Amino acid sequence: DVKVTQSSRYLVKRTGEKVFLECVQDMDHENMFWYRQDPGLGLRLIYFSYDVKMKEKGDIPEGYSVSREKKERFSLILESASTNQTSMYLCASSLFRQGAREQYFGPGTRLTVT
Amino acid sequence: SQKIEQNSEALNIQEGKTATLTCNYTNYSPAYLQWYRQDPGRGPVFLLLIRENEKEKRKERLKVTFDTTLKQSLFHITASQPADSATYLCALTEGGKLIFGQGTELSVKP
Repeated sequence: DVKVTQSSRYLVKRTGEKVFLECVQDMDHENMFWYRQDPGLGLRLIYFSYDVKMKEKGDIPEGYSVSREKKERFSLILESASTNQTSMYLCASSLFRQGAREQYFGPGTRLTVT
Repeated sequence: SQKIEQNSEALNIQEGKTATLTCNYTNYSPAYLQWYRQDPGRGPVFLLLIRENEKEKRKERLKVTFDTTLKQSLFHITASQPADSATYLCALTEGGKLIFGQGTELSVKP
């Protein structure tokens, strides 16, 4: 089975702090994704990556950056956390690039920015 | 504008009945449509994928239909069980990305 792990289940940070969210997948998938999920807004794509050192902006990249130095690891960085970034963050990976099929999600990190 | 709509109200059904969830979309022409299950506080879990040239797909007690003319997918769970209680998300493929609906919460009562 595909396993996607995220570094923390719960995280509390202060406004202005730099925050790192780590995601690791063990199935040699080339494609990895970061989403945030908010009540009433659903899942929204922040960034994705089709290969090591490659990144593409999703629908809401502002305030975020990403890093993909190794195939299995995709990091989401909040350069200066703000309260409106309080959310559930979900990482996913997929074997398929074309068509964004069958994504496998991690357990999520619930981030609170105070 | 592009939109994916799922029943916003929770669906409550009795154990053993068939649950039917709806996903409608506008201004998309997806090659694939997928259904995911999400339990509270957890990440979504992939259930089924159906291609635009397929009318129906089955997996155990699950059945998905895809009508590209109506721009609608129906997701059925037959012989539902309390363990099927969760939020179900539909997602369609657009430009190499997945676009998710907001989900429908299903509650199966014993």
